[in-house]
Amino acid sequence: GQNIDQPTEMTATEGAIVQINCTYQTSGFNGLFWYQQHAGEAPTFLSYNVLDGLEEKGRFSSFLSRSKGYSYLLLKELQMKDSASYLCAVREWDSNYQLIWGAGTKLIIKP
Amino acid sequence: DSGVTQTPKHLITATGQRVTLRCSPRSGDLSVYWYQQSLDQGLQFLIQYYNGEERAKGNILERFSAQQFPDLHSELNLSSLELGDSALYFCASSVEEFANTGELFFGEGSRLTVL
Repeated sequence: GQNIDQPTEMTATEGAIVQINCTYQTSGFNGLFWYQQHAGEAPTFLSYNVLDGLEEKGRFSSFLSRSKGYSYLLLKELQMKDSASYLCAVREWDSNYQLIWGAGTKLIIKP
Repeated sequence: DSGVTQTPKHLITATGQRVTLRCSPRSGDLSVYWYQQSLDQGLQFLIQYYNGEERAKGNILERFSAQQFPDLHSELNLSSLELGDSALYFCASSVEEFANTGELFFGEGSRLTVL
């Protein structure tokens, strides 16, 4: 079956580092994606992992362990504008390559 | 600006009514996806079209239908509306059939309120 778990909400301080975890149980894994969504706005693509390891892109990094069904998104040097929901999504080849989305983690940044 | 255009941005209607949501994908994108996002919930995949053909279907209700036209714009038709259909409806597009790199470009969404 399909199951993607993320924490509902996290709080962090401006300038700090935060790690948002995502665990998944799927069949036919074909990639994991992170999107950012500000309240009431469209999701925007952050990262894509298909092989194990760390992908770094500026202040954001994403890690994948396929054997553990686990990923995390690491945000460094937090800024107030990073307050948003972070959506983890998994693509499955046996779901016609569609993205299966987690409910998202709402990140609140405090000064 | 993602380049994906959705209209209308807001829509308020009554139960039992029918509405049509419109989406124009990014220039050059052949795939269009429709998603429903209810309050504080994840994105629920409804349907995908690729170059005019239905490519994949998710948990789309029988009261809902969609199509992609020759100019690649798409419409999502919602009929016999119920209170529970109130949600944000997103359209997304990608160049490839399977969005190989995972990057979907989302429109700003159409917020539907059913009273």
